[in-house]
Amino acid sequence: GAGVSQSPRYKVAKRGQDVALRCDPISGHVSLFWYQQALGQGPEFLTYFQNEAQLDKSGLPSDRFFAERPEGSVSTLKIQRTQQEDSAVYLCASSPIQGAGETQYFGPGTRLLVL
Amino acid sequence: GDSVTQMEGPVTLSEEAFLTINCTYTATGYPSLFWYVQYPGEGLQLLLKATKADDKGSNKGFEATYRKETTSFHLEKGSVQVSDSAVYFCALSDQGNQGGKLIFGQGTELSVKP
Repeated sequence: GAGVSQSPRYKVAKRGQDVALRCDPISGHVSLFWYQQALGQGPEFLTYFQNEAQLDKSGLPSDRFFAERPEGSVSTLKIQRTQQEDSAVYLCASSPIQGAGETQYFGPGTRLLVL
Repeated sequence: GDSVTQMEGPVTLSEEAFLTINCTYTATGYPSLFWYVQYPGEGLQLLLKATKADDKGSNKGFEATYRKETTSFHLEKGSVQVSDSAVYFCALSDQGNQGGKLIFGQGTELSVKP
């Protein structure tokens, strides 16, 4: 079956530009997570959705970051007025139900480079 | 807050050598513990997990035991192969974290030479 997909795979943006990153989770998965992975580091949590409800956005680094999942499936992470420090790989993951022991299935990531 | 610490890489081994990658954690509750692997050019995928103390997770010859007394979840494999070359991430998910968000270590790069 299809896994988690993300688009675009690569994005180059000029500083100050707005970007939108898309995540298509595995069909039927309730939970959806966004993570940010800087070069040579482990992923860091950004935000979490249960269906369409954004239940945790404690990891979003600033109010320039915004995420939505309006119909409980596809999610979009939007970054406004991009800065160089936003350059990273953005990972999306989904899991069938919520819970600390549940396996998360990751997409290939979107590599964002801000010039 | 919760955190995960992994041994620094890169780790370079010869084929058929024994592998240990150390992982320790700090958590306020009773976390579930995971090892994820990222092969070159691929996304993160679950390697194994353990959800309570003394559980042993295993997969593809790798294993790790959840040790509550030492707050550790070390990854081991008896005989590594070239195809095991990848970056390995230890992670935890605390019961107190809504939804089960993962907290990752910084990753350990493993290179296996023939």
